[in-house]
Amino acid sequence: DQQVKQNSPSLSVQEGRISILNCDYTNSMFDYFLWYKKYPAEGPTFLISISSIKDKNEDGRFTVFLNKSAKHLSLHIVPSQPGDSAVYFCAASARYSGAGSYQLTFGKGTKLSVIP
Amino acid sequence: DSGVTQTPKHLITATGQRVTLRCSPRSGDLSVYWYQQSLDQGLQFLIQYYNGEERAKGNILERFSAQQFPDLHSELNLSSLELGDSALYFCASSPVGMPNTGELFFGEGSRLTVL
Repeated sequence: DQQVKQNSPSLSVQEGRISILNCDYTNSMFDYFLWYKKYPAEGPTFLISISSIKDKNEDGRFTVFLNKSAKHLSLHIVPSQPGDSAVYFCAASARYSGAGSYQLTFGKGTKLSVIP
Repeated sequence: DSGVTQTPKHLITATGQRVTLRCSPRSGDLSVYWYQQSLDQGLQFLIQYYNGEERAKGNILERFSAQQFPDLHSELNLSSLELGDSALYFCASSPVGMPNTGELFFGEGSRLTVL
């Protein structure tokens, strides 16, 4: 049972345009959401996060939107650059799971290709 | 460079064998996490250790075990290997058991191929 779903395995966008990556979750206990970026032969690197008490968080060209009622979040990249080409993972956590335990639940990822 | 070091980077072995993957967390990080990424799959959480103690367990098979040592490095032991165990195994670390930012720092992974 996938608790975090990224339904688009791949996405192609022209350089300079907006990239929108989507993520849905099913577990209502999730209260913190993150996006990671992964290049080939490297580990995932943290990109941006959002707490469930917010509906938007912005960091430079990257903005994450959270719609709690729809259990949906999206990552917007504006403008897209060729260096943004990577696999993007959505992740979620239930931060207060107790006793110092913590885990991130990841989606399967979306491969973004930004075409020059 | 995340500061998390994993060895070996690549490993090829045969079914039925046993391997050990090693992880050194970022300096000062007390918590270590292990994730498995199989083909076309997301990262599956296996297990978390905090300051030497197991704190959270995910879908880790009984053939797999892990531990965190007093110097905070961790090892993931995979035994009676099957073809389906071929995957990328990532280690991640964080300063505490429940990071305020939610962020984990990942190593580059160990690619295991079982033939």
